[in-house]
Amino acid sequence: EVQLVESGGGLVQPGGSLRLSCAASGFTFSSYSMNWVRQAPGKGLEWVSYISSSSSTIYYADSVKGRFTISRDNAKNSLYLQMNSLRDEDTAVYYCARERHLNFDYWGQGTLVTVSS
Amino acid sequence: QSVLTQPPSVSGAPGQRVTISCTGSSSNIGAGYDVHWYQQLPGTAPKLLIYGNSNRPSGVPDRFSGSKSGTSASLAITGLQAEDEADYYCQSYDSSLSAFYVFGTGTKVTVL
Repeated sequence: EVQLVESGGGLVQPGGSLRLSCAASGFTFSSYSMNWVRQAPGKGLEWVSYISSSSSTIYYADSVKGRFTISRDNAKNSLYLQMNSLRDEDTAVYYCARERHLNFDYWGQGTLVTVSS
Repeated sequence: QSVLTQPPSVSGAPGQRVTISCTGSSSNIGAGYDVHWYQQLPGTAPKLLIYGNSNRPSGVPDRFSGSKSGTSASLAITGLQAEDEADYYCQSYDSSLSAFYVFGTGTKVTVL
């Protein structure tokens, strides 16, 4: 069974940093591209970042470019999102999602990031 | 900001048929990229409902169907059931420089 479990969310002050993790199991992690998608409270889904299976290709949404860094460790079956210079508008539930043919076929349960003073 | 436009809400009585539209542009749906649909039940993570415009993952009832034409796509739910009350999002790929994966604005389906 495919499982994606996010962790690392919490309350952080504006300008602060946070590192999210996503532990994958039930599939060959190193064979799949992965993404982070977020959802602000009461709002819709917003794609955040993409990383290819070998980490050779990385994309970011304009809203986080230069502040967030996506990475992965295929030996540990883990995906990460380093978030720096956090802003109020980064408050959201962050989901990791497995990608297959340009869609997201499995999602984690999400981790809440709250940016507030 | 969302690049794909959906109606904010649709509603129907149990057993009825409802449709949700998803309107894009020449850089995403109109460029030939597939449309995918997700169902988000209250308080849960999104779940893939339709992929590749009209394909259902294993376990998704055939009450759900998708189609695509030009710069738009549609999700239809026939035989509406109480458990279908949820938020639905379309998603595609965008070839513009500012976005890669784009989602619709989301549609709340209410079962009357």
